[in-house]
Amino acid sequence: EAGVAQSPRYKIIEKRQSVAFWCNPISGHATLYWYQQILGQGPKLLIQFQNNGVVDDSQLPKDRFSAERLKGVDSTLKIQPAKLEDSAVYLCASSLVRSETQYFGPGTRLLVL
Amino acid sequence: KQEVTQIPAALSVPEGENLVLNCSFTDSAIYNLQWFRQDPGKGLTSLLLIQSSQREQTSGRLNASLDKSSGRSTLYIAASQPGDSATYLCAVNTGNQFYFGTGTSLTVIP
Repeated sequence: EAGVAQSPRYKIIEKRQSVAFWCNPISGHATLYWYQQILGQGPKLLIQFQNNGVVDDSQLPKDRFSAERLKGVDSTLKIQPAKLEDSAVYLCASSLVRSETQYFGPGTRLLVL
Repeated sequence: KQEVTQIPAALSVPEGENLVLNCSFTDSAIYNLQWFRQDPGKGLTSLLLIQSSQREQTSGRLNASLDKSSGRSTLYIAASQPGDSATYLCAVNTGNQFYFGTGTSLTVIP
């Protein structure tokens, strides 16, 4: 079974630029999660989708971050404009059903200069 | 807001030793708790998931326990091996939100 795919693996941008990350979950997984992991910290959940609907986005900085999962399969997370403090690893995870075992992708490492 | 703490932040043990990693959380109203390992530069790998109604789960050399009333979970690793070296994270699921600890960095010395 293929795992969670993410791209790109690395991205370097300057502050105020925009960036987008892509995630393809495990086939058949209804729930998709985006996390932000800052160096030395645990992951922080930004947004959770159930199929193509948002379950929770209470920790998503909506003035600059947006995410979508239009067809209930793959998803994109966008930052516009980026700030220095957005430098982190962005992790995507999926689960067959909500609140069950999550499977993580390798992450996208973002550096904002 | 749920807060999750993991102690110690780092641990170094000789190969073959049994060890315990700790995770504590402030609000006992949880749905389940999951333990993960994270290798440098990689994503997280799920190890064990304990539902709120369960007391423990076992997988191979790993055993996780949950005491919801005291807000604690432990991950027991038996007969540690160098390949167990990684950062171990616990995550508390409150239903809609997941809260992670900052992890315990484990080094197993051959």
